Amino acid sequence: TAGITQAPTSQILAAGRSMTLRCTQDMRHNAMYWYRQDLGLGLRLIHYSNTAGTTGKGEVPDGYSVSRANTDDFPLTLASAVPSQTSVYFCASSETSYHEQFFGPGTRLTVL
Amino acid sequence: GDSVTQMEGPVTLSEEAFLTINCTYTATGYPSLFWYVQYPGEGLQLLLKATKADDKGSNKGFEATYRKETTSFHLEKGSVQVSDSAVYFCALHGSSNTGKLIFGQGTTLQVKP
Repeated sequence: TAGITQAPTSQILAAGRSMTLRCTQDMRHNAMYWYRQDLGLGLRLIHYSNTAGTTGKGEVPDGYSVSRANTDDFPLTLASAVPSQTSVYFCASSETSYHEQFFGPGTRLTVL
Repeated sequence: GDSVTQMEGPVTLSEEAFLTINCTYTATGYPSLFWYVQYPGEGLQLLLKATKADDKGSNKGFEATYRKETTSFHLEKGSVQVSDSAVYFCALHGSSNTGKLIFGQGTTLQVKP
């Protein structure tokens, strides 16, 4: 099985443009998450979804939105990108919010 | 709020040396504790975990013991290899139903032949 796939692998984006980072899992996990990784800060939770049809805000949600129309997909949208959103973005999933999380390979985003 | 503190890196060791990466935490209740590893250019992989006090997680020669009295979860390996070079993250999962993992800032390990 593929586990978790993310697309694109990397992207350079002009400030003010919108972009959607894609995340798909094939493990039928109920819970999914988006984290951003910044040097010296570890990973910080942006948004999460405990089950299809529900979403919640994490530690750093401003400037990001998510949707969870089905179990497998959890896209992250930047409506109007800013340079401070330059980061590596990781999608993760877990069987439930109380189980261990599995991570995707990441998307490296640069906002200029 | 909950937090995780890791020793600062980078840590540079020779092959077959003993490894310790310190991790301490602050949390209410009884969190689950994890070590994740990130190899260059890859995502995070779960290395080991412990869900209650005095539990020892182990995998691939790495070990960590959940010490509630010292709020610690130090990662150890008796003999490191060049292939262990990576970034190691300590993390906790608290009592929240968000599933949120609280990560330390990561410790880079470089093992030289």
